[in-house]
Amino acid sequence: DTGVSQDPRHKITKRGQNVTFRCDPISEHNRLYWYRQTLGQGPEFLTYFQNEAQLEKSRLLSDRFSAERPKGSFSTLEIQRTEQGDSAMYLCASSDEGVGQFFGPGTRLTVL
Amino acid sequence: AQTVTQSQPEMSVQEAETVTLSCTYDTSESDYYLFWYKQPPSRQMILVIRQEAYKQQNATENRFSVNFQKAAKSFSLKISDSQLGDAAMYFCAYRSAQGGSEKLVFGKGMKLTVNP
Repeated sequence: DTGVSQDPRHKITKRGQNVTFRCDPISEHNRLYWYRQTLGQGPEFLTYFQNEAQLEKSRLLSDRFSAERPKGSFSTLEIQRTEQGDSAMYLCASSDEGVGQFFGPGTRLTVL
Repeated sequence: AQTVTQSQPEMSVQEAETVTLSCTYDTSESDYYLFWYKQPPSRQMILVIRQEAYKQQNATENRFSVNFQKAAKSFSLKISDSQLGDAAMYFCAYRSAQGGSEKLVFGKGMKLTVNP
């Protein structure tokens, strides 16, 4: 399968713990995006990379959130000191020309 | 800031019938892209169709077509010959073509049920 992959698919953690998610984009795609989706809502943009450069960050991305794409391939999204309000589906998408974005299956985070 | 509104939270359609999903958006930009995405239950988001705002011709992809009314800021999706596999959440999304932002702005989505 050559689509966008995300790991883990599900994560349950206790409030205050740190979590890290990984996204592997479609191999020839130089753009990678992170979104968050809560129940009953559409996805909300968090940040995006072109190659290894982080070009845009949403105000939703508080200082507890950090994203990296060190070699312009896979990306990680870390949430420090998780809160119950962080419970959501975290979606990754990639694109080769910045218009059509192709999504992965998401990582569902539950903070207890 | 751009906003996308999907005013119908749920719709249902009989198998083989046609259904139209509505979407309106608000923007002050003249150049942008619009999309419809499909999210089946417990499955990933799939791009259904896209429309460039500079194109007057409405996009079509097999059984899916759009009615793009730029002046009215309306972007509806028509699904013809509905199939059971079309049952999903459908999201309308906007992307600017100006200023370097590549983020998608999504509506809240609409749940489509297809009845056999």
